[in-house]
Amino acid sequence: GENVGLHLPTLSVQEGDNSIINCAYSNSASDYFIWYKQESGKGPQFIIDIRSNMDKRQGQRVTVLLNKTVKHLSLQIAATQPGDSAVYFCADKGGSNYKLTFGKGTLLTVNP
Amino acid sequence: ETGVTQSPTHLIKTRGQQVTLRCSSQSGHNTVSWYQQALGQGPQFIFQYYREEENGRGNFPPRFSGLQFPNYSSELNVNALELDDSALYLCASSLDLWTRTNEQFFGPGTRLTVL
Repeated sequence: GENVGLHLPTLSVQEGDNSIINCAYSNSASDYFIWYKQESGKGPQFIIDIRSNMDKRQGQRVTVLLNKTVKHLSLQIAATQPGDSAVYFCADKGGSNYKLTFGKGTLLTVNP
Repeated sequence: ETGVTQSPTHLIKTRGQQVTLRCSSQSGHNTVSWYQQALGQGPQFIFQYYREEENGRGNFPPRFSGLQFPNYSSELNVNALELDDSALYLCASSLDLWTRTNEQFFGPGTRLTVL
């Protein structure tokens, strides 16, 4: 079935480095994507979103890139900090008006 | 904090029992969605309520049911609990039917363990 998945389950980086988290999607109707951060014991927290008519969107220290040709998106975190340690999910609204489809998540660990 | 609250925080039940989980949406939000998150997995959509009516449903059996009240708070009920129902149950609220540009704000979840 259609799903949103991730290439890597874990990512470990040094504090101050840039992090890149990748996500592949298969739903051809996908036109809106969101990255969420989930810290231990908390619900997912919105980071940044992007529509399918865009290739790139920047926020504070984060950038999302969308490649519709290969159905891939990535989240780049600049100057990664220990507080960035969490599980990151990409989610797809896939044309639906009512639900998000989440991938499995990538655990980001930032080493001081 | 998102302003979305859930209760209880943790719950332990035995197989076959019934459970009710509660969610208070963020002030002004009239749409509530429920998700199930198994350990090590991403959240899976259960259903959504908009102005007290079910607006959409994921691939969950009928023993998963819900309610939304006039103040837009919501309940998730699960009957005949199974071991695989053990998960974190997340509630998310949004302003009106969620358009592509509106955020869903998630609560901290209820951790349900079925023994």
